[in-house]
Amino acid sequence: KQEVTQIPAALSVPEGENLVLNCSFTDSAIYNLQWFRQDPGKGLTSLLLIQSSQREQTSGRLNASLDKSSGRSTLYIAASQPGDSATYLCAVRPQGGSEKLVFGKGTKLTVNP
Amino acid sequence: IAGITQAPTSQILAAGRRMTLRCTQDMRHNAMYWYRQDLGLGLRLIHYSNTAGTTGKGEVPDGYSVSRANTDDFPLTLASAVPSQTSVYFCASSFLPGTYEQYFGPGTRLTVT
Repeated sequence: KQEVTQIPAALSVPEGENLVLNCSFTDSAIYNLQWFRQDPGKGLTSLLLIQSSQREQTSGRLNASLDKSSGRSTLYIAASQPGDSATYLCAVRPQGGSEKLVFGKGTKLTVNP
Repeated sequence: IAGITQAPTSQILAAGRRMTLRCTQDMRHNAMYWYRQDLGLGLRLIHYSNTAGTTGKGEVPDGYSVSRANTDDFPLTLASAVPSQTSVYFCASSFLPGTYEQYFGPGTRLTVT
């Protein structure tokens, strides 16, 4: 059974710092991995999608990497801002006919001004 | 504005009552999904539909039913609500099942008393 873990559960950093969020998964047989952002009381906003054949994706100050063989992904946020404060979720789409995304429980990020 | 709309935004429901959560997307996506999000458990798939006219069970389908009469709409029905169905419900869609990015709606917060 695929399991996704995100460590740490919470992270607090000063504004301007570069930071890395971690995601690990137990089964490397995946179609893709997706990073989301969730603001309190809101829905999920897709940040980056990495297909299983890709190593990384970039969007603005965000860079996500994927090492499928080791079951790891990182989300790098450059020059963090208070507006980056949110919960970040990673999710994998398992192969083998499963239709669901398997989510981690998220990392709650606070960027202090 | 293209995207997913959900209604209602929030609802308090007495146990035993019937309730339908509405979801509509205007992106002409083929696949649609219903998830529930619970503290400590993360997001879990309830039901999905790969294309209009077909549906499938996810991880936690008991007590819920869905229909997919057309491409745009994917309602979720609780036939007889129970307190354990208190949760935040998210509808999502993707162009096709499998390797495509999933987009999420804003959610419905449901409290069953």
